[in-house]
Amino acid sequence: NAGVTQTPKFRILKIGQSMTLQCTQDMNHNYMYWYRQDPGMGLKLIYYSVGAGITDKGEVPNGYNVSRSTTEDFPLRLELAAPSQTSVYFCALGRGRNGELFFGEGSRLTVL
Amino acid sequence: KNQVEQSPQSLIILEGKNCTLQCNYTVSPFSNLRWYKQDTGRGPVSLTIMTFSENTKSNGRYTATLDADTKQSSLHITASQLSDSASYICVVFLNSGGGADGLTFGKGTHLIIQP
Repeated sequence: NAGVTQTPKFRILKIGQSMTLQCTQDMNHNYMYWYRQDPGMGLKLIYYSVGAGITDKGEVPNGYNVSRSTTEDFPLRLELAAPSQTSVYFCALGRGRNGELFFGEGSRLTVL
Repeated sequence: KNQVEQSPQSLIILEGKNCTLQCNYTVSPFSNLRWYKQDTGRGPVSLTIMTFSENTKSNGRYTATLDADTKQSSLHITASQLSDSASYICVVFLNSGGGADGLTFGKGTHLIIQP
């Protein structure tokens, strides 16, 4: 997973707190994605971006926000954390819409 | 609704044995099908990606097959090793009707290799 860096790897939040998950890439890919993975479930798309300045909602965007000011960075913001947001979050890159995806190592978030 | 169904949900085999994982998908138009390997606590890593015109694709001891007519794919692992213990995820890219990213993810097959 070289080229895709996610931080933090682990985080515990209290209900109502906010935080930002960071995703940085050095592969110069235009497409970036945020997924969440819940136990026993397939990955669900939260938000994605096809290039700097462009973001769009995925399947499960409620409770999250993103920005894409540069090609390299695609942070995911959680406002007013809820227990339902307890999950593992993955950032991914793609060269094109139907191209191969490169995933980060994931950020495990627990909301108590 | 576009769906990707994987079976079995979990599988335990002895080291050195072969195994086959199944993936069935519904709806079209189909563009490509991918298999990813996800080690515990890590992000998914691509094993193969096949277009509708490809029937077989190999990556070392991993061989993926695709039958676009029956909408079925399989991932065959030969001479399994302990390092093959992981979840294997089937992902279908649809030209339309998939998620916003065009991708529909299966829930994965959890494979355990026992010594």
